[in-house]
Amino acid sequence: QSALTQPASVSGSPGQSITFSCTGTSSDVGGYSYVSWYQQHPGKAPKLMIFDVSDRPSGVSNRFSGSKSGNTASLTISGLQAEDEADYYCSSYTSSSTYVFGTGTKVTVL
Amino acid sequence: EAQLVESGGGLVQPGGSLRLSCAASGFTFSNYYMHWVRQAPGKGLVWVSRTNREGSTTDYADSVKGRFTMSRDNAKNTLYLQMNSLRAEDTAVYHCARGHSYGYGVDIWGQGTMVTVSS
Repeated sequence: QSALTQPASVSGSPGQSITFSCTGTSSDVGGYSYVSWYQQHPGKAPKLMIFDVSDRPSGVSNRFSGSKSGNTASLTISGLQAEDEADYYCSSYTSSSTYVFGTGTKVTVL
Repeated sequence: EAQLVESGGGLVQPGGSLRLSCAASGFTFSNYYMHWVRQAPGKGLVWVSRTNREGSTTDYADSVKGRFTMSRDNAKNTLYLQMNSLRAEDTAVYHCARGHSYGYGVDIWGQGTMVTVSS
C-alpha cells in the first residue's frame, strides 16, 4: 500500500489558478472513481473538499474542482485566496478494500 | 452539529497496548461507515481502518493488520480502536472520521488523540 504521489509544494499568486496532481496505479486511482481531496491547516483536522473525483460537499467553494485521467487525479483551485494556503492530501479507495492517502502538497499563496 | 471526540491516547512502551475511543454526536451514528486515520508528527495522513455500519466488516492497512482491532457500539454511539503490540512507528495523532453518506470520502473528522510509543 504505497502512498499516492503528490508534488511536495505548489505556489501561486492571489487570483491565479493552480492545479496539482495525485498519481497512483490501476489498483487505486485508475481503477475507481473514488478519489477524494482534503485540506488541512496547521494544527487542524482535515476537511473534505472533493469526493468521488469531482463532487463537492455542501459548503465547499466552487473554486475547488477535481478531475481524473488514467492513474492520475488532479485538484484545481481557481481564484486563489490567502485562506487556501494549507496542506492538501488526496485519497483513493483500493482493490484491497482499503484506502490510501497521498504524500501531501503544501500550497503557498505568494 | 455532527461531532467526533477521541480519547484514550497517551504514552505507552513498545509492545504495550492502548484502547482509543471516539464518541459521536449530532448524527445517527449507526447509519455511517467509520474510519481511523493517523498522522505522525510533521508527517502526512495515513489510513488505518474502516468498519461498516453494523461493525460486521472491518478492513485494515497492512501496517496494523493483526495488531489493531476496530469495533463499534451503535447503542453507545462510540467507535473503538484496540491497539496491541505497539511500535515506535505507531506514534501519531489518531483521528476517527465519518464516511460520507453516499460517497467514498470522509466528511467529518475528530481533532484526534495523541499516541506516543516510547520507552
